Amino acid sequence: NAGVMQNPRHLVRRRGQEARLRCSPMKGHSHVYWYRQLPEEGLKFMVYLQKENIIDESGMPKERFSAEFPKEGPSILRIQQVVRGDSAAYFCASSPSGGSTDTQYFGPGTRLTVL
Amino acid sequence: SQQGEEDPQALSIQEGENATMNCSYKTSINNLQWYRQNSGRGLVHLILIRSNEREKHSGRLRVTLDTSKKSSSLLITASRAADTASYFCATGTRGSGAGSYQLTFGKGTKLSVIP
Repeated sequence: NAGVMQNPRHLVRRRGQEARLRCSPMKGHSHVYWYRQLPEEGLKFMVYLQKENIIDESGMPKERFSAEFPKEGPSILRIQQVVRGDSAAYFCASSPSGGSTDTQYFGPGTRLTVL
Repeated sequence: SQQGEEDPQALSIQEGENATMNCSYKTSINNLQWYRQNSGRGLVHLILIRSNEREKHSGRLRVTLDTSKKSSSLLITASRAADTASYFCATGTRGSGAGSYQLTFGKGTKLSVIP
């Protein structure tokens, strides 16, 4: 049973380019969460999605960031016109039902470096 | 916004000793979870304790929860070099969207177990 998969594992972009981060949840999981981790910090919640729906994007910056979880395929976190401050590790997690007692299973993360 | 805080920030012990890490939080929670993160890797779920539970065990791990003091502790007994990692507590709370639930992480405790 494959765990949460994220790709790419490392991504380098120049300022102004777009970054696309992909997340495939665990088999049978329809709830996806994205978190961002700055160096020496804990993870910060960004967005929570179910298939074809954004449920909670309260942690997402209002501009340049967007997320989707289509009916088919992985969840995508998209960052347009990246800036140096976007450099961080981005983690995706999935859970089976999104409930308060659910364990969230994390992927290995995508480390984004903006030059 | 709520933030869990781990204490100490860093802990160095000899192999075979016990390691205790503490976590404090600020608001009401549904549950509290502990995760481990090896350097440059994703998070591994260790244990979840519900708000109506006081203590939970899993192998060499023991977690306590005191909701009156809004604190939790993680004890690792008979530590091994392989336990070297960062440990994070995460509190589960209702998010902004309907049915939304998210994790709020602290900054973590860096544990070094010296062989």
